[in-house]
Amino acid sequence: RKEVEQDPGPFNVPEGATVAFNCTYSNSASQSFFWYRQDCRKEPKLLMSVYSSGNEDGRFTAQLNRASQYISLLIRDSKLSDSATYLCVVNGGATNKLIFGTGTLLAVQP
Amino acid sequence: EPEVTQTPSHQVTQMGQEVILRCVPISNHLYFYWYRQILGQKVEFLVSFYNNEISEKSEIFDDQFSVERPDGSNFTLKIRSTKLEDSAMYFCASSVDRQGDTQYFGPGTRLTVL
Repeated sequence: RKEVEQDPGPFNVPEGATVAFNCTYSNSASQSFFWYRQDCRKEPKLLMSVYSSGNEDGRFTAQLNRASQYISLLIRDSKLSDSATYLCVVNGGATNKLIFGTGTLLAVQP
Repeated sequence: EPEVTQTPSHQVTQMGQEVILRCVPISNHLYFYWYRQILGQKVEFLVSFYNNEISEKSEIFDDQFSVERPDGSNFTLKIRSTKLEDSAMYFCASSVDRQGDTQYFGPGTRLTVL
């Protein structure tokens, strides 16, 4: 099983649509969970941290299910500027290295 | 807003040559990292560094790689004898603290080995 697994997409959605990304991770000892965004040939940028209680930041909502080792990201009212690759990231349990998924490509169409 | 900076943005080198990639982490951060991303692949951890020593390294980080904090601001990654498969984007990152803390990434150095 891959350490962090994501559907690579692409997800092609119209502006205004709601889109959901899912991610699973294999290390039950992981303590920290993040969604990063990566534009083409750029660095990963933190979108949001993910907590067990769920958290929301504007149009973005993240959820964590520790029992299922599952992380999700919901984007509401998609904008053209949301087009990017969304990276599911977990820390390495007892270590502080980050383990990245392969990313899910989102293309928002006008 | 403070940010991680990296130089050069693009480095082209011949196979077998040594390269040094430079990073300036965010000033109050204590943990430093190098990651790499081969074109079309996922971001991979190379090494973490704290208190002037390596705290963890991956299998990729073999004897050809080394890291150093030569002064109070710079953090460098050296590849002694580059191989074609070292061609990748190299990202430096830093964080204030250890577990759970956000790592902030620099813009990367694109290394091309010919």
